[in-house]
Amino acid sequence: DTAVSQTPKYLVTQMGNDKSIKCEQNLGHDTMYWYKQDSKKFLKIMFSYNNKELIINETVPNRFSPKSPDKAHLNLHINSLELGDSAVYFCASSPLFGSYNEQFFGPGTRLTVL
Amino acid sequence: QQQVKQSPQSLIVQKGGISIINCAYENTAFDYFPWYQQFPGKGPALLIAIRPDVSEKKEGRFTISFNKSAKQFSLHIMDSQPGDSATYFCAASYTSGTYKYIFGTGTRLKVLA
Repeated sequence: DTAVSQTPKYLVTQMGNDKSIKCEQNLGHDTMYWYKQDSKKFLKIMFSYNNKELIINETVPNRFSPKSPDKAHLNLHINSLELGDSAVYFCASSPLFGSYNEQFFGPGTRLTVL
Repeated sequence: QQQVKQSPQSLIVQKGGISIINCAYENTAFDYFPWYQQFPGKGPALLIAIRPDVSEKKEGRFTISFNKSAKQFSLHIMDSQPGDSATYFCAASYTSGTYKYIFGTGTRLKVLA
């Protein structure tokens, strides 16, 4: 029944490792997003996909690579993890690509890089 | 121009009181202003939203006041309850092709019983 789900919920890893976070939405939405929330709770968009096409690609290090195998899934792969990557990562989706659409957020993945 | 400034950073209100959170923006192209509520350990969820063609929108105890000329908008929570204790984010979005949200820095609200 979960609308937007993310796995894993917690991820603890060493510097230099590569990790992935998976996101799935069962709402039938066209658009999906990745956000990063830092320790001060600041929420910033990283990527957005609309119908599997990359729409928003903020100034994110190219160690971060999103992949959308289909409209319902948007995964985030992170190479060579750094201490500064520690944060909570949220996946979100919205019905259509447009300004007035509500974004539905997943429960978040807390990434800790040691 | 991309910033949305939010204040206060934290707010403590007695049960039954009014909570007021303010946001200001610079880009006049913004045309959608949602407020999101986030409980600890959860993702943000839409609380209420407004477009710039109206000056106020009310849903239950939650009201957005919008001042287009001042480029400011605020969230008022009437009869605040302990269950309202959460972090609140304002956001702004604009029709520039990406429609991305620019979030404010968040306000941590604590309502005392």
